[in-house]
Amino acid sequence: AQSVTQPDIHITVSEGASLELRCNYSYGATPYLFWYVQSPGQGLQLLLKYFSGDTLVQGIKGFEAEFKRSQSSFNLRKPSVHWSDAAEYFCAVGGEYGNKLVFGAGTILRVKS
Amino acid sequence: DADVTQTPRNRITKTGKRIMLECSQTKGHDRMYWYRQDPGLGLQLIYYSFDVKDINKGEISDGYSVSRQAQAKFSLSLESAIPNQTALYFCATSDPGSRSGELFFGEGSRLTVL
Repeated sequence: AQSVTQPDIHITVSEGASLELRCNYSYGATPYLFWYVQSPGQGLQLLLKYFSGDTLVQGIKGFEAEFKRSQSSFNLRKPSVHWSDAAEYFCAVGGEYGNKLVFGAGTILRVKS
Repeated sequence: DADVTQTPRNRITKTGKRIMLECSQTKGHDRMYWYRQDPGLGLQLIYYSFDVKDINKGEISDGYSVSRQAQAKFSLSLESAIPNQTALYFCATSDPGSRSGELFFGEGSRLTVL
């Protein structure tokens, strides 16, 4: 069965520092991979997605993620974190057209000034 | 105005009461979903609907029911609420023509069952 593991429940980084959020997945076919962000009191917003092509994908708000098939990973990165990036981040994996989409447990990002 | 609107945004109720959470969307999407979010568990799918005549159970449908009143409206009901249904509930939509199946979420409905 498909699954998503986000190993870090909480991460704290200093403003201006780089960020990497980890995501490992298990999926039996070609995965469609997503990162969503949930700001306090808000719904989830898509940051970026991958399903084919260049394995390094660019998203909104300066985020990027790299798909590594050999490691079953889709880690999210940002070179310089802003205080407004404090939120909860969810990785998700599914099939074509959103089939059998599964979410990870989320990683809460805190940004210290 | 939000493309996916959920009402109420917050609700406190008592055990045994019937509760309805409503979702409406202006995105024109055929597909609609209800998810439940619990801390440390991510999002779990309760029910989904691919069109007005289609209703499907998700992974945690027990204790819940849904109604798809129109393409734009999808309601979630708790017939007899219990405390472990205290959670944040999200409605989402997707375009069936989108190969990636990207979801568009409402802002959530926080339900507390005492």
